[in-house]
Amino acid sequence: DVVMTQSPLSLPVTLGQPASISCRSSQSLVYSDGNTYLNWFQQRPGQSPRRLIYKVSNRDSGVPDRFSGSGSDTDFTLKISRVEAEDVGVYYCMQGSHWPLTFGPGTKVDIK
Amino acid sequence: QVQLVQSGAEVKKPGASVKVSCKASGYIFTNYALHWMRQAPGQGLEWMGWINPGNGNTKYSQKFQDRVTFTRDTSATTAYMELSSLKSEDTAMYYCASHTSAAYWGQGTLVTVSS
Repeated sequence: DVVMTQSPLSLPVTLGQPASISCRSSQSLVYSDGNTYLNWFQQRPGQSPRRLIYKVSNRDSGVPDRFSGSGSDTDFTLKISRVEAEDVGVYYCMQGSHWPLTFGPGTKVDIK
Repeated sequence: QVQLVQSGAEVKKPGASVKVSCKASGYIFTNYALHWMRQAPGQGLEWMGWINPGNGNTKYSQKFQDRVTFTRDTSATTAYMELSSLKSEDTAMYYCASHTSAAYWGQGTLVTVSS
């Protein structure tokens, strides 16, 4: 199975400041069709996960543009340009290029 | 708009089975994959497998392969996840999610396994 790792696992941030989460995979996530199926999810306390980013860098509808995704092959990053209070929660990367689909362990973002 | 509405919380005894439903609306049910995930209390997300609602084909994570069955009723636009031989470690929130790369999620169904 493809192992997904994230760092840091805990990220205290100051409101209005940027934040960055790293996600690494144990194998290349470039699929045979040329796409890279790396997605980011946000899970606010007590809520279901919500997809933010798909195929590395594509923002889902309704996701604020302060969220951005980048990376390639095995190394990916989620950035929040200016953290707001509503961004508190756990962020997961997930790969969809190999069976079984696998998630990273999650990064907990909270306010300092 | 796409909606996935799951059945209510369940409490089961060890060794029993549970069947969770996921009612889809707002899109063509048979056109998109439907995934099942679970999340143990305070833990991360775990993918269990998926079903193609169009033809009923399934793909299960090896971890659950012997105990889980996904089915669907296209006339009711509803998918089902049945997990058998329940253990206390199966206590978790179970989620369905649809579309490529799990774009849309249900509200979750809490399954508690306790004697």
